[in-house]
Formats: sequence, C-alpha cells, structure tokens
Amino acid sequence: EVQLVESGGGLVQPGGSLRLSCAASGFSFNNYWMSWVRQAPGKGPEWVANIKKDGSERYYVDSLRGRFTISRDNAKNSLYLQMNSLRADDTAVYYCARDSSRVVGATMDFDHWGQGILVTVSS
Amino acid sequence: QSVLTQPPSASGTPGQRVTISCSGSSSNIGPNYVYWYRQLPGTAPKLLIYKTNQRPSGVPDRFSGSKSGTSASLAISGLRPEDEAEYYCAAWDDSLSGWGVFGTGTKVTVL
Repeated sequence: EVQLVESGGGLVQPGGSLRLSCAASGFSFNNYWMSWVRQAPGKGPEWVANIKKDGSERYYVDSLRGRFTISRDNAKNSLYLQMNSLRADDTAVYYCARDSSRVVGATMDFDHWGQGILVTVSS
Repeated sequence: QSVLTQPPSASGTPGQRVTISCSGSSSNIGPNYVYWYRQLPGTAPKLLIYKTNQRPSGVPDRFSGSKSGTSASLAISGLRPEDEAEYYCAAWDDSLSGWGVFGTGTKVTVL
C-alpha cells in the first residue's frame, strides 16, 4: 500500500525556518516525481514545487523561489521541503504528493497524497 | 496566484448533469493535459480525471473531462448527494521555467 507521511510541521515565528519531511513507503520511491502542495485555511490548493526521480530537476512556483528548497533522499525514501524566511502567509497545510508517472516529465497528475501537515507562522 | 479560473459554485438536483469550466491560457491548458481533483473538508484532494479525459480506476463513469483550446470542463452526470464537494482543475504551465497551477475551485452543491 502506498503511504506518504509528512512530518516536521508546527508553530514557527515570522522569519524562522522549518524543514518538512515526507516518508514514502509501499512503492519504488526513486521511480517517481514528487511534489509539495500547500493549502492555506479556507483557500484552494497551491502547488509549491516538484522534483524529478533522481533529483536532477526541480521546479518551483515563482513566488517561493529562493525561500523554499525541495530535495529528496532516495536511499531513505524521503522527500523534504526546506522553508526559510517564513511569513504569516506561508501558514497552510502542506501535502506531499506522488506524480503517477503516466506522463514523462513534470505534471500535475497526483495519484497519492499524504495526510498533510500544518505549518503555522505566527508570533 | 491561480491562473486557472473556475466558477465559484455550481449546483443541481439529484440525477441532473452539472458542468464545471476551467479557463486557462496558451501556456497551460492549451498545450498540456488537464487534471481534476475533488476535495472534501479536512481531507487531501483526490484525483478524479487525469490526462484531460481519463478516469482512474474506481472513479465512476458519471465523471468525464474534456478540453477545447485553452479551456477545459468537468461534467458530472446523474448527480448524487455524495458529489457535493469542492472541485479543482490543474495543469502544468510552460511559462517562466515551468510550474504547476491549480484552478480557483468550484463548490458543487446538490440541492
């Protein structure tokens, strides 16, 4: 069974940093593109970033480029999101999601999602 | 920052057909596949349609997707009370260096 479990969320002060992790199991992690998607309270989902199977390509939403960094460790079946200079409007539930790999390259075809982890940026 | 525009709401009575539109551009919907997600409160989005008009296993054929130019649509036929949810379209956008975009979302209400 495919499982994606996020961790590392919580309360952080404005300007602080946080590193989210996503532990994957039940599939060959190194065969799939992975993404982070976030959803602010009462808002729709916002795609944050994705990373190629071997980590050689990464894409970001333009507004977060430079503050957020996506990475992966295929030996540990884990996906990460390093978030720096956090602001109040980064408050959201953050999901990791698996790209189905039905199409070659980066897509928005997410066939499995984690349960999400809440990040709250507040003083 | 949504660049895919959906109507905020849609409704119908049980058994009716409801259609949700998703308006994009020549850098996202135009050249790329469209995906549709359904989301219930407090849960992660669930894939409903992939590659514009394909259904994952387990999704009933009451749900269908289509695309024309830079717009896409999701149709729900034989509306059921359990279809009441938020629906989002999504596509890859080839502008800038490439990024993913979700639609603004449509709340479907079963009257």
